[in-house]
Amino acid sequence: AQSVAQPEDQVNVAEGNPLTVKCTYSVSGNPYLFWYVQYPNRGLQFLLKYITGDNLVKGSYGFEAEFNKSQTSFHLKKPSALVSDSALYFCAVRDSSSGNTPLVFGKGTRLSVIA
Amino acid sequence: GAVVSQHPSWVICKSGTSVKIECRSLDFQATTMFWYRQFPKQSLMLMATSNEGSKATYEQGVEKDKFLINHASLTLSTLTVTSAHPEDSSFYICSARVGGGRVETQYFGPGTRLLVL
Repeated sequence: AQSVAQPEDQVNVAEGNPLTVKCTYSVSGNPYLFWYVQYPNRGLQFLLKYITGDNLVKGSYGFEAEFNKSQTSFHLKKPSALVSDSALYFCAVRDSSSGNTPLVFGKGTRLSVIA
Repeated sequence: GAVVSQHPSWVICKSGTSVKIECRSLDFQATTMFWYRQFPKQSLMLMATSNEGSKATYEQGVEKDKFLINHASLTLSTLTVTSAHPEDSSFYICSARVGGGRVETQYFGPGTRLLVL
């Protein structure tokens, strides 16, 4: 079975500082990993994904994520946070060997960027 | 990226009535769509996988007779909450799968907030 853990319910960071939102995963095969962002009363917006290749993935709005196979992690990062980055962030995984199974989501991490 | 729409965005209904929510892929065809439910401050809970031209696959614990899913075309899936009750009040989100294998990505609709009185 595949699963995702986001250990932090809430992350607070000052505007202009770097931010990290943590994610670890568990799959039996090779993972496809995703990050989504959700603004209040809105659906999820795709940020980035890791399928294969370079471990550092760059996505929308200046976000990036680093795939670390040994630590089974896929932490989301941004060098300089903006107040507008405040939102709910979801990490998701799918086992590449499991056919057409849907994504499995973490419980989400609320990011608050303080001016 | 691909655009997915949902209608309505907000619905308030009386207990016992049925509510239909539409999910459309606007600029692509989606053979597979997913329906999720999200409670306040919680993650998305997958309810069912909707495949065009065939019956939906429901997750364990989701009543298929209560949450009717129809995927009649490659751009439209509908979720009907039958005989809604207050405990069905939630945020319902659909997504559509684009591509397959390595290039697969799920794009999400904006969600529909249902309040059953």
